[in-house]
Amino acid sequence: GAGVSQSPSNKVTEKGKDVELRCDPISGHTALYWYRQSLGQGLEFLIYFQGNSAPDKSGLPSDRFSAERTGGSVSTLTIQRTQQEDSAVYLCASSPEGRRMNTEAFFGQGTRLTVV
Amino acid sequence: DAKTTQPNSMESNEEEPVHLPCNHSTISGTDYIHWYRQLPSQGPEYVIHGLTSNVNNRMASLAIAEDRKSSTLILHRATLRDAAVYYCILRAFNTDKLIFGTGTRLQVFP
Repeated sequence: GAGVSQSPSNKVTEKGKDVELRCDPISGHTALYWYRQSLGQGLEFLIYFQGNSAPDKSGLPSDRFSAERTGGSVSTLTIQRTQQEDSAVYLCASSPEGRRMNTEAFFGQGTRLTVV
Repeated sequence: DAKTTQPNSMESNEEEPVHLPCNHSTISGTDYIHWYRQLPSQGPEYVIHGLTSNVNNRMASLAIAEDRKSSTLILHRATLRDAAVYYCILRAFNTDKLIFGTGTRLQVFP
């Protein structure tokens, strides 16, 4: 596809379980971003990748959250021992060259995570 | 990270121009001003960006104050499909982060 693809689109999980959220960026995009959006709230920055490395992990809420990116392409956000407050829409975005200021970011449709 | 301040909400009638303000008094000389919008139940989409000069594209215009401490997104003729949350963002030079604030919720009435 031509856009950023996220899977699954919806995920319901039990409290305490681990979940993995996947992001397929647009081919050739070197920068990849993860955000979290709770119901009715703004976007909370989690982490971004430049290639396979993550220069800034400061937005990850706790050590239960981790992310990796392989081959400069697909990224996985993992949440361990999920809690109800983790329920939110998780959004992924990519941009062609992260260090160039004149590039736009393209967002996926998000994964809606519900922890019950 | 330099912060932005936007009104929580604004209203407009269809086919009227809309001016969405953003204050960014702590902007640094190398920060670009980006605007994104988020339609209901969708991920954000890019609208426009600029550094010092005013910018125009097919979606909107961006007017940047001479001192760069504020900017205004201009929708020349609002349509019902423009109803969204509009985010003004400063893109930091050395981190590439896009930090979203609370944005302005624009309502457009027929």
